[in-house]
Amino acid sequence: EMQLAASGGAVVQPGGSLRLSCAASDFSFNDYSMHWVRQVPGKGLEWVSLISWDGYTTYYADSVKGRFTISRDISNNSLHLQMNRLRNEDTALYYCAKDRGRGHWNPHFDYWGQGTLVTVSS
Amino acid sequence: EIVLTQSPATLSLSPGERATLSCRASQSVGSYLAWYQQKPGQAPRLLIYDASNRVTGLPPRFSGSGSGTDFTLTISSLEPEDFAVYYCQQRFNWPPITFGGGTKVEIK
Repeated sequence: EMQLAASGGAVVQPGGSLRLSCAASDFSFNDYSMHWVRQVPGKGLEWVSLISWDGYTTYYADSVKGRFTISRDISNNSLHLQMNRLRNEDTALYYCAKDRGRGHWNPHFDYWGQGTLVTVSS
Repeated sequence: EIVLTQSPATLSLSPGERATLSCRASQSVGSYLAWYQQKPGQAPRLLIYDASNRVTGLPPRFSGSGSGTDFTLTISSLEPEDFAVYYCQQRFNWPPITFGGGTKVEIK
């Protein structure tokens, strides 16, 4: 069964950095765009970033642009989010999610990882 | 940025009743709207994509309708496992991809 497993969440001070990872299994990872979506506990969902199936195109929410970098490693079917200059308002549960489209954009999210918690606090 | 407004914020119903959830977009999103269900401690789960298409295995009591700016998720007869938070999401005009604020369906 298709699986996504997010990891890397931690407590970090404002201004610090963190790298999240998401291990994908049991689907053709290289054929699908991937996303990060975050959720402040008890609140709604916020899309963070997208990387295309081939890794050549990325998009970011304005709230993270210039601070976060999404990447993917096709050799081990993994997705990453490098988070720099973290702010208190970045505190959230971060989900990796799979795009529905195979080889093209179709950003509805049909599979989600379990989420990894990032807490930014001094 | 397309803003999605969901109403009501909370829907208090009994098992067996019909639930009607609304999602209104600040501008047309065509049919490019999805619905997700989220239970406590779980990741969201895709239910409906492109306004009215049920994902494989979704019970027929769930249905989506609408186009343009007004969309509805209907649960024809609530089962105990349907009490959860529901979110709509658009993919018509992005970035950013946007979600509604959610509707909580709670047991009355």
